[in-house]
Amino acid sequence: GENVEQHPSTLSVQEGDSAVIKCTYSDSASNYFPWYKQELGKGPQLIIDIRSNVGEKKDQRIAVTLNKTAKHFSLHITETQPEDSAVYFCAASGGGTSYGKLTFGQGTILTVHP
Amino acid sequence: NAGVTQTPKFRVLKTGQSMTLLCAQDMNHEYMYWYRQDPGMGLRLIHYSVGEGTTAKGEVPDGYNVSRLKKQNFLLGLESAAPSQTSVYFCASRVTGYQETQYFGPGTRLLVL
Repeated sequence: GENVEQHPSTLSVQEGDSAVIKCTYSDSASNYFPWYKQELGKGPQLIIDIRSNVGEKKDQRIAVTLNKTAKHFSLHITETQPEDSAVYFCAASGGGTSYGKLTFGQGTILTVHP
Repeated sequence: NAGVTQTPKFRVLKTGQSMTLLCAQDMNHEYMYWYRQDPGMGLRLIHYSVGEGTTAKGEVPDGYNVSRLKKQNFLLGLESAAPSQTSVYFCASRVTGYQETQYFGPGTRLLVL
């Protein structure tokens, strides 16, 4: 089955700096890669996703890149703010009979210091 | 539109007790999922359903059963709780189709003593 590795496990930045979180996946059939943000005591919330026919996607301060050849994808947050502090999860999903099942990375605790 | 809701929010069980977690969605989604979240391990899929009356095993199904008698509800049962089932449980749902988003509920925190 699919295996997703996420790094780093913790990330501490100063407000205004950029943050980068990286994930690798094992199944070359995976074609959908969402990123979720989880605040304390809440469920994961989708912040951005990318599909396998796209190399990069941007939404304001957040961007995601995908390298299908190397089987890795990354989340980039620019101009970080204290409210960006949360746990971030990457995930991967395949097509066909996968029925949208997601395999998650282990999570990254992002702390943005004012 | 409440999205995905979960009941209860928190529960303490003794080893061997049983309980049912309820997930409800009002978005008319076909697919529903149950995950557990443990420190340092991300979310792992327990069971899922691709429509009313269907269920299937995920990555970590042992010790759990599920039912999807109504399209909007997905129940997760623990017949004989064990301390290893102490976790936070999340339900999610999505539409059918290609590369669609999963929407998550707020979670149920379960402590088994």
